[in-house]
Amino acid sequence: NAGVTQTPKFRVLKTGQSMTLLCAQDMNHEYMYWYRQDPGMGLRLIHYSVGEGTTAKGEVPDGYNVSRLKKQNFLLGLESAAPSQTSVYFCASSYPLTRTDVPYEQYFGPGTRLTVT
Amino acid sequence: DAKTTQPNSMESNEEEPVHLPCNHSTISGTDYIHWYRQLPSQGPEYVIHGLTSNVNNRMASLAIAEDRKSSTLILHRATLRDAAVYYCILRDSYGAGSYQLTFGKGTKLSVIP
Repeated sequence: NAGVTQTPKFRVLKTGQSMTLLCAQDMNHEYMYWYRQDPGMGLRLIHYSVGEGTTAKGEVPDGYNVSRLKKQNFLLGLESAAPSQTSVYFCASSYPLTRTDVPYEQYFGPGTRLTVT
Repeated sequence: DAKTTQPNSMESNEEEPVHLPCNHSTISGTDYIHWYRQLPSQGPEYVIHGLTSNVNNRMASLAIAEDRKSSTLILHRATLRDAAVYYCILRDSYGAGSYQLTFGKGTKLSVIP
């Protein structure tokens, strides 16, 4: 299993440009998440999804949109990038909270380092 | 989510045990205690979690105080690969907050050869 993969690994954008980050998981997890991590800080939740076709806002959703058209993929979009969105973006996935036979463990991807100039 | 307090950094010698403390004095009865770690330039990885009782797995042990206001992550024999930032996280088991892991700044563990 590849686990959670993210593309691209690095990207540089100019202010105002748009882009989409792709997250894919092959563990058949229901839940998926997008986080951002700024230098020297912990991760903050941007958006999450509890199933195909559903999304919800996390702690810092402004400036981002997401889509979950397929169970295994979760896309994060930046419509008009700003320097404040320079960060490392992590995707994660997990089993549903309702399952009691597995721990509520989030599996993280390797991250996408985004710089907005 | 309730807040946690961890030391900014700790050092350990290789092959010695490491005790990483976490204070969570405002923990509620439905909060699980989770530990994740983040190796340099990688995404976080799950270490262990618990509710009330002490827990052991292949990576570490989690000791939870009787009043649940603090916990300690124990690495039995530190290796160089254990050098990472360790996050102590409280996760509510109900409601919208249950989906979220709120990461603080964590404890940066350095392992000395």
